[in-house]
Amino acid sequence: KAGVTQTPRYLIKTRGQQVTLSCSPISGHRSVSWYQQTPGQGLQFLFEYFSETQRNKGNFPGRFSGRQFSNSRSEMNVSTLELGDSALYLCASSLSGTGAPGTEAFFGQGTRLTVV
Amino acid sequence: GQNIDQPTEMTATEGAIVQINCTYQTSGFNGLFWYQQHAGEAPTFLSYNVLDGLEEKGRFSSFLSRSKGYSYLLLKELQMKDSASYLCAVKNSWGKLQFGAGTQVVVTP
Repeated sequence: KAGVTQTPRYLIKTRGQQVTLSCSPISGHRSVSWYQQTPGQGLQFLFEYFSETQRNKGNFPGRFSGRQFSNSRSEMNVSTLELGDSALYLCASSLSGTGAPGTEAFFGQGTRLTVV
Repeated sequence: GQNIDQPTEMTATEGAIVQINCTYQTSGFNGLFWYQQHAGEAPTFLSYNVLDGLEEKGRFSSFLSRSKGYSYLLLKELQMKDSASYLCAVKNSWGKLQFGAGTQVVVTP
């Protein structure tokens, strides 16, 4: 079956602009989580959506937002981009988001965002 | 909140064994996961523990002690391709999966 698909793979934006990233989860997966990965900070949790509702949120400013559609596809948006937002943004999907066997998260290849 | 600690880097020789420790604090434990991430690639799932004890999967084993907030990932018969970052992640009762900073394992000939 198809894996987690993230688009675009690479993106270059200028400071002050906004960006929207897309994630299509594995078919049947209802939980989608977003992470920011930078060399110094590792994988930082942004938020998690389950059945179109934001269920968990990390410690990021309100410029970072997301949503999930009825088909479980998810988007995240970053407004008023800053240089420090340059990072790899990873999306992960899982069956239910609970901690049972078989509910591990599968990651997409990520979107590499560069803010100049 | 959640706090996850693991060593930054470990070096071992091909064919040897390496043990990566992970300690965590969380409210509402709902499973501990280990992931492998090669440079420039997405993390891939290695193992899952929710009950105390050892889970074995080929050359990889993972151990959990919930009372101690402690887990380890054991890599046996190291191969050069095992050079990667190993991420410890804890899921809480509300489904939030949070990662440690990762342990870079360097395998030398």
